[in-house]
Amino acid sequence: AQSVTQLDSQVPVFEEAPVELRCNYSSSVSVYLFWYVQYPNQGLQLLLKYLSGSTLVESINGFEAEFNKSQTSFHLRKPSVHISDTAEYFCAVSVKAAGNKLTFGGGTRVLVKP
Amino acid sequence: SQTIHQWPATLVQPVGSPLSLECTVEGTSNPNLYWYRQAAGRGLQLLFYSVGIGQISSEVPQNLSASRPQDRQFILSSKKLLLSDSGFYLCAWSLKGGSTEAFFGQGTRLTVV
Repeated sequence: AQSVTQLDSQVPVFEEAPVELRCNYSSSVSVYLFWYVQYPNQGLQLLLKYLSGSTLVESINGFEAEFNKSQTSFHLRKPSVHISDTAEYFCAVSVKAAGNKLTFGGGTRVLVKP
Repeated sequence: SQTIHQWPATLVQPVGSPLSLECTVEGTSNPNLYWYRQAAGRGLQLLFYSVGIGQISSEVPQNLSASRPQDRQFILSSKKLLLSDSGFYLCAWSLKGGSTEAFFGQGTRLTVV
């Protein structure tokens, strides 16, 4: 079975400052990795994903995440946050052989302060 | 393009009453379908998933059930709600094989009183 740990439940950050959200996973087989964002009272939107290839993946709104197999991590970073980045962020893994079911971390709530 | 519809958006139900939440997907066929629950301050827990009509797998023992009467319709039900059933319920779909990301509906906030 897979598990995902997001080490920080809340991250306050000032506008235009950098942010890093940590994600570690545990799995006995190869996994696919995802970051989703959830705005208040809404569903989840895919932010970025790692399936294979380059270990650094980027989103269209300035986020990036790096897959580190040796450390079993997939940390999310943004060099300069905006007020609009205030949301909850979820790291997730899936195993292709398991019907593409996602296992989620507990989420990290990011609050961007002016 | 594909879209997923989930309703209602909010629901307040008394303890012991029945529940029916519906989810439909458009623009794709034979998707995998999922029901997740998000309890307050916690992550998402997979409740059910389906790889085809009438094929339902339950991930956790609970007071809820799911059905897939049509290829792109997924229903979450309960005969008698408990207080502990309160939460934010999310329906999702994914393709089989290839890309493995899931696409989520807007969610239903259920409050059992």
